[in-house]
Amino acid sequence: EVQLVESGGGLVKPGRSLRLSCTASGFTFGEFAMSWFRQTPEKGLEWVSFIRNRADGGTTDYAASVRGRFTISRDDSKSIAYLQINNLQTEDTAVYFCSRGSSLFLTYYFDYWGQGTLVTVSS
Amino acid sequence: SYVLTQPPSVSVAPGKTARITCGGNNIGSRSVHWYQQKPGQAPVLVIYYDKDRPSGIPERFSGSNSGNTATLTINRVEAGDEADYFCQVWDNGSDHPAVFGGGTQLTVL
Repeated sequence: EVQLVESGGGLVKPGRSLRLSCTASGFTFGEFAMSWFRQTPEKGLEWVSFIRNRADGGTTDYAASVRGRFTISRDDSKSIAYLQINNLQTEDTAVYFCSRGSSLFLTYYFDYWGQGTLVTVSS
Repeated sequence: SYVLTQPPSVSVAPGKTARITCGGNNIGSRSVHWYQQKPGQAPVLVIYYDKDRPSGIPERFSGSNSGNTATLTINRVEAGDEADYFCQVWDNGSDHPAVFGGGTQLTVL
């Protein structure tokens, strides 16, 4: 059974950093892309970042709103995807989801999702 | 970047058919994926590549895509189908490749 479990969320002061983890099981992690999303009642579901598998170059993409502050990475030996968030701002407050990216013909969809981890940025 | 437009809400009576649209410029030339999200839960993939259903998704869920509109159809709607539904495409080569519609809240009357 495919499982994705996010961790690392919590209450953080503005300007601080945080690293979220997404621990995967039930599939060969290194064969799949991974992605992070966030969601708030105000802005809805927002795609944040994406990392391809090694076979597709391991390249990354970021939403413009987070580019330069967020870094996605992966450790295939541990089946974990990470999201490093620097210089946290109040507008980063959200539930963060990780998801597995699957593809045929190099267009991706997201077939499994974790249950999310809440990040609250407040002084 | 590419834009997907969904109606904010759709209402349907139990047992009837719900149709949720997703508009985009020449979206018929792209592959569209659909997600269902219930309150407090993660999204669930219900349709991929326009019309394919993942295992475990009822046959009542179907998809189509042509011209400037993709459609998620839910036949014989049940109370448990009440949720937000999002469409998504992958915009290759874009600096924002994962494109989502704003979501449609399906209300079962």
